[in-house]
Amino acid sequence: DGGITQSPKYLFRKEGQNVTLSCEQNLNHDAMYWYRQDPGQGLRLIYYSQIVNDFQKGDIAEGYSVSREKKESFPLTVTSAQKNPTAFYLCASREGNQPQHFGDGTRLSIL
Amino acid sequence: AQSVTQPDIHITVSEGASLELRCNYSYGATPYLFWYVQSPGQGLQLLLKYFSGDTLVQGIKGFEAEFKRSQSSFNLRKPSVHWSDAAEYFCAVGAGNQFYFGTGTSLTVIP
Repeated sequence: DGGITQSPKYLFRKEGQNVTLSCEQNLNHDAMYWYRQDPGQGLRLIYYSQIVNDFQKGDIAEGYSVSREKKESFPLTVTSAQKNPTAFYLCASREGNQPQHFGDGTRLSIL
Repeated sequence: AQSVTQPDIHITVSEGASLELRCNYSYGATPYLFWYVQSPGQGLQLLLKYFSGDTLVQGIKGFEAEFKRSQSSFNLRKPSVHWSDAAEYFCAVGAGNQFYFGTGTSLTVIP
């Protein structure tokens, strides 16, 4: 079945460390998105990409970086510059004006 | 600017009772509207979508929603709630390349 795979499901970060969250999709969708979810705040857009080798900042891009070298992959790096990284991270993909499809998320915590 | 408001942070209903979750949006053009459901620790699952045409749309799991342009609303309804409907519900508007999400409504179902 087609879908979006996020890994790992749980991730821990030490002070000063960069960590990378994986997002892979086999839906052949052009667009991919990263959201951060905090309790009571809904989903906030970090980065999105409409095509390979191109991406745009969302509302809360500071402290994060992404790459889009392949259509099916859109990894998110949480850098040491992100001072409050503890959150639930969701990856999504979309084709045209159709609804977004979501992965099952990665929960990032600080050690 | 685009925005989505879900005025109810938390709702409690009895099993078998009817349900209505409110959603108001702000968008200059004809919106694409969506309702998603999220179980704890999971991604978002699409319940239904509105693009155009009939303003009453049917979704999965017995849910429906009605688009009212005059009220800028897209409320979600279900005639008889089941215990398995307990979850977080998000309303979203698709605007160009992006989605805008409400802050969510948490639904508790009591026996």
